[in-house]
Amino acid sequence: SSDVTQDSAVSVTLGQTVTITCRGDNVSLPYVSWYQQKPGQAPTLLIYGKNMRPSMVSDRISGSSSVTTASLTITGAQAEDEGVYFCSYRHRDGDPWVVFGGGTSLIVL
Amino acid sequence: EVQLVQSGAEIKEAGDSLKISCKASGYIFVRFWIGWVRQMPEKGLEWLGLVYPGDADVRYSPSFQGHVTVSADTSLTTAYLKWATLKSSDSATYFCVRGPLYGGTIFFDYWGPGTLVAVS
Repeated sequence: SSDVTQDSAVSVTLGQTVTITCRGDNVSLPYVSWYQQKPGQAPTLLIYGKNMRPSMVSDRISGSSSVTTASLTITGAQAEDEGVYFCSYRHRDGDPWVVFGGGTSLIVL
Repeated sequence: EVQLVQSGAEIKEAGDSLKISCKASGYIFVRFWIGWVRQMPEKGLEWLGLVYPGDADVRYSPSFQGHVTVSADTSLTTAYLKWATLKSSDSATYFCVRGPLYGGTIFFDYWGPGTLVAVS
């Protein structure tokens, strides 16, 4: 199976650090990417490759991984960080080619 | 500036055919995968398929293969998603995505605004 799983919701106090996880087989970097989606909008890319960030993404956001868990860490959480976070994994050698996690809703308290 | 401009919302009946489009600009069209991601109401993201316009290679999710067709017209720098026979379960928002390959992985760096498809 190429499924990846995410917690459905996570909360963080304003200014604190939060980690969102993506668990499954072969989810190690550089094969995982992360996206944020705000209500009514298309997702936007946050992390790709080995902890690479597009230029417009805050350096408060970083990615890491172990063998079966990829993580997205947001330091100094802000209200603007609220949204749903999706991980995506490319199954290099088989189908499906691309898998998305179910998404984690982040609430900033 | 990279832009993905998608066609407008569609209201269809089950059994109809449909083709939606994604006009790409601001980059060399034939050098990047381009494709589609579905989001059903209040649900997560599902990848449908990708096409590499440079050689017309197409990859599909097994969940959607045979039900949709992904294609691209290099002269128009436009990608398409086509259904021959719509079902009510196809009702969703469909996002066009650009997919660079990087270090053996693929990710989606640009997303279109989405095309809402409603099937009754």
